[in-house]
Amino acid sequence: AQSVTQLDSQVPVFEEAPVELRCNYSSSVSVYLFWYVQYPNQGLQLLLKYLSGSTLVKGINGFEAEFNKSQTSFHLRKPSVHISDTAEYFCAVSELTTDSWGKLQFGAGTQVVVTP
Amino acid sequence: DVKVTQSSRYLVKRTGEKVFLECVQDMDHENMFWYRQDPGLGLRLIYFSYDVKMKEKGDIPEGYSVSREKKERFSLILESASTNQTSMYLCASSLSYMTGNNYGYTFGSGTRLTVV
Repeated sequence: AQSVTQLDSQVPVFEEAPVELRCNYSSSVSVYLFWYVQYPNQGLQLLLKYLSGSTLVKGINGFEAEFNKSQTSFHLRKPSVHISDTAEYFCAVSELTTDSWGKLQFGAGTQVVVTP
Repeated sequence: DVKVTQSSRYLVKRTGEKVFLECVQDMDHENMFWYRQDPGLGLRLIYFSYDVKMKEKGDIPEGYSVSREKKERFSLILESASTNQTSMYLCASSLSYMTGNNYGYTFGSGTRLTVV
């Protein structure tokens, strides 16, 4: 069965500094990978996804992530953060099996706090 | 703009009450999901449905049931609410995995339920 580990529960970062959020997964089959963002008092919004092809994926709001199959990782990065990037970020994995029904397994989340 | 709508943003219920959480999507999605979100635990799947009148248990179904009589509506039912069901509840929908695509979920804004 799949599992998702987000290695940092909270990441403090200064405005205009870079940020990296780490995500590792375990699965015995091929997977799709996702990053979601949750702003305060809102639902989750898709940032980016990896389905196939190039391992470097670009998403909304200047975020990108790189799929590393050998490391089973899907780390999220942004070169320069804004105050508005303060949010919780979730990594999610979907196994490519017929009985998965496309279900997503989520990590525990990483809270990003951007300060001036 | 496509949407997943959850009927209530905040609910306060008493222990022992029967509670209904409603979710409606307008995207003609086959799959619908109910998650609960708790600090430090991320999102945990309660139930999902891949078709009308079809339902499958997720990781934490105990104390919950669901109903899907129409494609666009998926209801979560707490048969007898307890204080440990105080949480944020998130509904999501997605295309059927059988289409060969997995674009992830579209989420509602969530219902914050407090059981007193």
